[in-house]
Amino acid sequence: GDSVTQMEGPVTLSEEAFLTINCTYTATGYPSLFWYVQYPGEGLQLLLKATKADDKGSNKGFEATYRKETTSFHLEKGSVQVSDSAVYFCALSPGAGGTSYGKLTFGQGTILTVHP
Amino acid sequence: KAGVTQTPRYLIKTRGQQVTLSCSPISGHRSVSWYQQTPGQGLQFLFEYFSETQRNKGNFPGRFSGRQFSNSRSEMNVSTLELGDSALYLCASSFPSQSHNEQFFGPGTRLTVL
Repeated sequence: GDSVTQMEGPVTLSEEAFLTINCTYTATGYPSLFWYVQYPGEGLQLLLKATKADDKGSNKGFEATYRKETTSFHLEKGSVQVSDSAVYFCALSPGAGGTSYGKLTFGQGTILTVHP
Repeated sequence: KAGVTQTPRYLIKTRGQQVTLSCSPISGHRSVSWYQQTPGQGLQFLFEYFSETQRNKGNFPGRFSGRQFSNSRSEMNVSTLELGDSALYLCASSFPSQSHNEQFFGPGTRLTVL
């Protein structure tokens, strides 16, 4: 079945440092890929998405590129802020034609802490 | 546009009781999915409803059930609660024919079973 693997955390950075959170996936066909962020006490917010190979999703300075050849969707940000401290989840949705309706498969989440 | 709402936000129950959680999707969204989030198991898919029909179900026991109403609002029910059911329950809505199943999440209901 489908699966998503994220780099183990937690990740601790100083403000303005470069961030990379690795994400690899296993899926049949052509899934859509997402990064979600969860702040303490809240639900998940969609951060960015990519729906086909070589697409680059971007939002709020975060970027991720859909690499089918390496089955990866790594999250990057050039300069993190204290306000970026949160839990980040990589997720996939099955491609068109599948029957796994309404199901996102998530990675285990990566806790990011940014210090001033 | 109002986001996904979930009620109640917090619940405390005892073992053996049952509980009903409610989710109101974004206006116009017809698909509602439910997830259980725990520190040990992460985010796990419970089930998905579309047009009042359950189209997909995760690997949870029959104590977990749900339904969807004609206005797309959804409820999930857990009967005979166990300590291990303590979790954050998240619902998400989407408009399935667009955005490749991009889902929008509510704030969750935090269930504590004593």
